[in-house]
Amino acid sequence: GAGVSQSPSNKVTEKGKDVELRCDPISGHTALYWYRQSLGQGLEFLIYFQGNSAPDKSGLPSDRFSAERTGGSVSTLTIQRTQQEDSAVYLCASSLGPGGSGNTIYFGEGSWLTVV
Amino acid sequence: RKEVEQDPGPFNVPEGATVAFNCTYSNSASQSFFWYRQDCRKEPKLLMSVYSSGNEDGRFTAQLNRASQYISLLIRDSKLSDSATYLCVVGGSNDYKLSFGAGTTVTVRA
Repeated sequence: GAGVSQSPSNKVTEKGKDVELRCDPISGHTALYWYRQSLGQGLEFLIYFQGNSAPDKSGLPSDRFSAERTGGSVSTLTIQRTQQEDSAVYLCASSLGPGGSGNTIYFGEGSWLTVV
Repeated sequence: RKEVEQDPGPFNVPEGATVAFNCTYSNSASQSFFWYRQDCRKEPKLLMSVYSSGNEDGRFTAQLNRASQYISLLIRDSKLSDSATYLCVVGGSNDYKLSFGAGTTVTVRA
C-alpha cells in the first residue's frame, strides 16, 4: 500500500504478557516516529528513528518499552510485562526527512492495545 | 507548562458559521507549525502547514504570531464534514521533534 501500515490493528492482551507492534513506513521515508494516544488525550512522543538509529528515545515511558528498526524500513515497538496503563492507541508515522524541518509526517491507522 | 496548549472546546457551531481558535507554544525557537485534523478513532492527517506570512487553503486560514507565540486556525462557511478534532503541531529547535497539542474539538450542526 501507499500509506503507513501498522499491525495488529487491535490487540487485547492479559496483564503481564509481552506485545509486539509493527510499523511499515512509506517507502523511501527515512524518518519514523512512534506516538501513544490515550483516550481523549493528546499524542505522546515515544521514539524517533532516522534510518536505523534512534537518536531520541526520551519518550519511552519505562524500560519495559523498546523499539527497533531494521533495513531502514520496518519498525517494531515491544512492550514487556504489559500493565493496564499501557492501554492506548500506538501510532506510527513516517516522513521523507525530519518532521521539524517542515517535512509532512504521515500516520498509520494505529494499533489499539487493550490490557485486561 | 506544556509545550503546546490548545483550548479543548468543544466549539459547537451551525453550518455556515465561522469558527476560529488558537494554539500557544512555549518554545520561542520553534521553526515549523502545522494544523492536523483527527476524526474520531482515526489517525491524524495534515490539514495545512502554517507559514510566517499566514496562508489560506479554501475555507481554512492559518496565521502565525511569533511575537505572542501562537498560531490560529479559522474555518469559514463551516460544513458538517468539518466536525473533528484539530491538532496544533509545533516543530522544535532541533530538526525532528514535533510537539502536539491535545486538540480542539469542533462540532458543526445542521
